[in-house]
Amino acid sequence: EIVMTQSPATLSVSPGERATLSCRASQSVSSSLAWYRQKPGQAPRLLIYGASTRATGIPARFSGSGSGTEFTLTISSLQSEDFAVYYCQQYSNWPLTFGGGTKVEIK
Amino acid sequence: EVQLLESGGGLVQPGGSLRLSCVASAFTFSTSAMSWVRQAPGKGLEWVSLISGSGDHTYYADSVKGRFTISRDNSENTLYLQMNSLRAEDTAVYYCAKDGPSRGYYFDYWGQGTLVTVSS
Repeated sequence: EIVMTQSPATLSVSPGERATLSCRASQSVSSSLAWYRQKPGQAPRLLIYGASTRATGIPARFSGSGSGTEFTLTISSLQSEDFAVYYCQQYSNWPLTFGGGTKVEIK
Repeated sequence: EVQLLESGGGLVQPGGSLRLSCVASAFTFSTSAMSWVRQAPGKGLEWVSLISGSGDHTYYADSVKGRFTISRDNSENTLYLQMNSLRAEDTAVYYCAKDGPSRGYYFDYWGQGTLVTVSS
């Protein structure tokens, strides 16, 4: 099983600032990596797939990068709705696995 | 607008069974792989099972293999999860999720979830 490790567990950021979230895979997943945002009490929402492709309707302030085992999600200017938990997910190998999440909180 | 509506959750005793349903609309259900993903209270996401669009291929997490069965009825645009021999650690919100349009199994639409509580 591919283990996905996200860091940091919690990130404190002020509105309008930049946030950088990391995701590491225990073995290469090529570019088979997705990012999701989950607001409290809601289902997750797809942000990025293929490591760097924004999903439909996702604003340009979200960008993804990386390949192999190291990935980054960058939010260029945090808006109020971005204070949430973010998960990465690999879909290179079975079983599909998620990282433990990064909570982005208001500083 | 794509919609996924889960139902069937509730309180069940350890060792019991439950069947979850997910009714889909506004996309071609029969050509989309579908998954169940769960989230224990206060915890992260865990993929549970996936079924291909035709229903010919199914995949399971080790934690549920042999106890859970995923299936679908393409004539009714409905996804199912039959859960047997339930354990306390199966307590979670269960989401159905649609496979994304590009190659690979990621999830572009999610339902709102149904809560399963396993407790005596």
